[in-house]
Amino acid sequence: GENVEQHPSTLSVQEGDSAVIKCTYSDSASNYFPWYKQELGKRPQLIIDIRSNVGEKKDQRIAVTLNKTAKHFSLHITETQPEDSAVYFCAARETGGFKTIFGAGTRLFVKA
Amino acid sequence: DGGITQSPKYLFRKEGQNVTLSCEQNLNHDAMYWYRQDPGQGLRLIYYSQIVNDFQKGDIAEGYSVSREKKESFPLTVTSAQKNPTAFYLCASNSGLTDTQYFGPGTRLTVL
Repeated sequence: GENVEQHPSTLSVQEGDSAVIKCTYSDSASNYFPWYKQELGKRPQLIIDIRSNVGEKKDQRIAVTLNKTAKHFSLHITETQPEDSAVYFCAARETGGFKTIFGAGTRLFVKA
Repeated sequence: DGGITQSPKYLFRKEGQNVTLSCEQNLNHDAMYWYRQDPGQGLRLIYYSQIVNDFQKGDIAEGYSVSREKKESFPLTVTSAQKNPTAFYLCASNSGLTDTQYFGPGTRLTVL
């Protein structure tokens, strides 16, 4: 089955700097990769997603890139703000099934 | 997200008791999921259901049971066989037409 690895586990940046979180997946046939943001005690919320027929997608300060050959995808947050502080999860949709496999999460701290 | 509700928000259980967590969605989604999240950890899949009257075990199904008698509802029972049930439980759903999972607000279960 699919396996998703996420790095780093913790990331601390200064307000205004960029943050990058990287994930790798094992199933080359996976074709859907969402990213979720989870604030303390809250539900994970979808912030951006990308499909395998696209190499990059951007939504304001957030972008995701996908390298199908290397089987890795990354989340980029520019001009970080304190409210970006949260745990971010990458995920990959398992081929042929209904399961989504999540990475272990990255705790992002944005220092004011 | 607003179409998925979970109750109760907080639940306390004595050792040896079975408890049932509710998950309801009005999004007409076919698939529903239960995840367990321990402090500082990622999401682990307990059970999932693709259609009514059918469900499959996830990665950590032991000590849990589910039912899917209605499309809108997917309750999770934490049985006394689950030795360490204290955790944050998240329900999710997605349409068969899209891959994106949407999460409920979660239930925090504590064993006294």
